[in-house]
Amino acid sequence: QQKVQQSPESLTVSEGAMASLNCTFSDGTSNNFRWYRQHSAKGLEVLVSIFSDGEKEEGRFTAHLNRANLHVSLHIREPQPSDSAVYLCAVTGYQNFYFGKGTSLTVIP
Amino acid sequence: AQTIHQWPVAEIKAVGSPLSLGCTIKGKSSPNLYWYWQATGGTLQQLFYSITVGQVESVVQLNLSASRPKDDQFILSTEKLLLSHSGFYLCAWSRGQGPEVFFGKGTRLTVV
Repeated sequence: QQKVQQSPESLTVSEGAMASLNCTFSDGTSNNFRWYRQHSAKGLEVLVSIFSDGEKEEGRFTAHLNRANLHVSLHIREPQPSDSAVYLCAVTGYQNFYFGKGTSLTVIP
Repeated sequence: AQTIHQWPVAEIKAVGSPLSLGCTIKGKSSPNLYWYWQATGGTLQQLFYSITVGQVESVVQLNLSASRPKDDQFILSTEKLLLSHSGFYLCAWSRGQGPEVFFGKGTRLTVV
């Protein structure tokens, strides 16, 4: 079964500074990799989906995938206090999603 | 546009009591449907998925059951709640095996 680990568990950055989150997985043959943001009252919001090695940018969010290193990262450019939330990495195969435990991001004004 | 609605938003239930959580998807026919659960401080886990009416596959055993009585409805239930059932439940849908999965806003369940 796919194992997904995220680091760090929590991260505090100042507004405007780059925030970088990491995710490692155990099986590189999975199809898709996604980053979600979880607000307590809003469910999960998909930020970036990436399927091929390299970089994928969606607005201020950029994901980097390296299957050989079993690693996918998320970089948030110019984070704002409203970006404070839990960020989840998801690795997906057929009909199954595997999530990390999340990184709690706090953006200080 | 497709919408996904979960109910209730939050629930406090006694140990041993029954539970029924609901999820409805509007604007999409024959979606794939999913139930997820996250214990406080834990990892989001997939519990069930369904690709068609009346057919539900279990992914993780938690003394819960799921049913899909209609194409647009997914129900999560149990006859006897355990303390360990507390947590956050999310319903989701996708277009077949399409890459994107869309989540509801979730139900916060507290078992006391």
